[in-house]
Amino acid sequence: SYELTQPPSVSVSPGQTARITCSGDALPKKYAYWYQQKSGQAPVLVIYEDNKRPSGIPERFSGSSSGTKATLTISGAPEADEGDYYCFSTDSSGNHWVFGGGTKLTVL
Amino acid sequence: QVQLVESGGGVVQPGRSLRLSCAASGFTFSDYGVHWVRQAPGKGLEWVAVISYDGSDKYYADSVKGRFTISRDNSKNTLYLQMDSLKAEDTAVYYCAKGLATNPYWGQGTLVTVSS
Repeated sequence: SYELTQPPSVSVSPGQTARITCSGDALPKKYAYWYQQKSGQAPVLVIYEDNKRPSGIPERFSGSSSGTKATLTISGAPEADEGDYYCFSTDSSGNHWVFGGGTKLTVL
Repeated sequence: QVQLVESGGGVVQPGRSLRLSCAASGFTFSDYGVHWVRQAPGKGLEWVAVISYDGSDKYYADSVKGRFTISRDNSKNTLYLQMDSLKAEDTAVYYCAKGLATNPYWGQGTLVTVSS
């Protein structure tokens, strides 16, 4: 079955840039989406279609995709951005969706 | 406003069945595909299944294929997940969700615990 691979954890100091990667064989042809989940809360979509920000998401969140890797970048991350981040995409058929394993972002 | 309200969770023994429901309101339910997503305690998100707007297309994660069945009743604005042959590893909070790739809405989730 199709898998998306993320690093388990990323740690940055407040105000630094955090980069979270997501690898998957279908990413050259399928969009990547990024969800943020804070403890005890429902997930929030922060990037869709590789690099688009939904309304209300701060400009410090950006996305890119090249080849089999998609990247979520948080520029100047404040402590409030701590949480779990999941990439989300489909397999090559476009019918089966999958979440990456999640990356715990620590801003400390 | 869009609301998705799951119900039907509980404690069930391994090998038994359970049916979850998700009542939708605040949008034209019959216009949208809808997903089930689960999250085991302390673990990550796992996509479970999706059903097209009219119920004609259904797709499942390999981990549940052949055991779970997604369905919908557009006359009742309700999504279902029939879960058979349950295993301990199916223990999770189950969420229904629409628009996961565009304008997502999630329910509050319902907890399913598979334990003897």
